[in-house]
Formats: sequence, C-alpha cells, structure tokens
Amino acid sequence: AQTIHQWPVAEIKAVGSPLSLGCTIKGKSSPNLYWYWQATGGTLQQLFYSITVGQVESVVQLNLSASRPKDDQFILSTEKLLLSHSGFYLCAWSPPGNTLYFGEGSRLIVV
Amino acid sequence: QQKVQQSPESLTVSEGAMASLNCTFSDGTSNNFRWYRQHSAKGLEVLVSIFSDGEKEEGRFTAHLNRANLHVSLHIREPQPSDSAVYLCAVNSNNRIFFGDGTQLVVKP
Repeated sequence: AQTIHQWPVAEIKAVGSPLSLGCTIKGKSSPNLYWYWQATGGTLQQLFYSITVGQVESVVQLNLSASRPKDDQFILSTEKLLLSHSGFYLCAWSPPGNTLYFGEGSRLIVV
Repeated sequence: QQKVQQSPESLTVSEGAMASLNCTFSDGTSNNFRWYRQHSAKGLEVLVSIFSDGEKEEGRFTAHLNRANLHVSLHIREPQPSDSAVYLCAVNSNNRIFFGDGTQLVVKP
C-alpha cells in the first residue's frame, strides 16, 4: 500500500526566514506529485506538480520553489518567508487518472 | 480558467437524513470530477470519482454529473456525525485540478 508522509506537521516561522517542507511517497514508483496550498478559510490552490525526478512545473507564483531530488521526494521551499505564506500545505500524489491522494498536511504560521 | 463554485456554503442535517451538496463549473470540456472530504485541516480523502454523465455510487456517497448543466452533485445517504467535515468538489480541466471553496457539513446526532 502507498503511504504519503509530510513534515513538519506544523511550524511557526518569522518573516524573512527560510522554509523547507518535505513530502515522501512510499510504495509507488514514479508517481505524479503535487503541492497544494490552502490559506485559512481559503480555496485549495495547486502550486507545483512534478511527473518525474528533477522536473517541476509551477502553477501559481507565490515566491515559493519546489524540487524533486528523488523519485519519492518532493520539497517545497523559500529563502524568505512572507506573512502571506501562512496556511496549510498539502502534498499529494496521483496515479494515471488523476485521483489525488493527500498527505496529512503541514500547517505554517508566519509571524 | 475553470471556475468551480460550491453550494451551500454550510449545511446542517440530522443523522440519517440525506445530505445533498452542489458544485457548478464553468468549462464543460472538463474530463473528470471528484468529491473529496477534509476533516479539520487534515489531508483530503477521495470519496467518489465520476467521468461521464449520470450517477456513480461509492458506498453511501453518490455523485451525479450533468455536463450540459455544468453541474455535479454529491448525495450522502444516512449521514453520521463522523461525516461532519468540509466537502470539496474537484474538477480536472486540461490536466489541472481546480477545487471549489467547499461545503461545511455538520451532522447532528
């Protein structure tokens, strides 16, 4: 069975500080991987997706970047956080057919 | 760009009464539709996927799709308090997935 794990579960960070959120998928080779962001009370928005190692497509520009260093790993990061980055970040994977399977999410509070 | 709108914004039903949620979309060429559920800022779980007009049932969850009316609905049979959550409609359009703002469902015992 496939499992998806996100870390950290929650973080409080200062404006201007760096951020790195991680996501790993076990039990599935070459999955499509996605990062979604949900502002408090807001709509879930797709940020990035990746269909293979080393390849990432940006969907929405939020001064964030993503990388896929390994087949089972997807990293979301920025060097300088903004207040507007606060929210809930969800990693997801999908097989062909596009059903998304989500991780438990990472809650970020920027102060 | 695809626009997905859900109604109602919130819905309270009694345990055992049918719950019906609605979703409209703007691009009729979208090729698949899904309903997800999110409990209290946790990850989402997929409930039902539907690809063609008509009805698709997964346990107590039934989706109805009418592309001509740009409408997809979710009906929850015999809802339980544990079904209380935010329900999200997701529309796949040109390999991008667009979500609605969600319907907050509360099921009272």
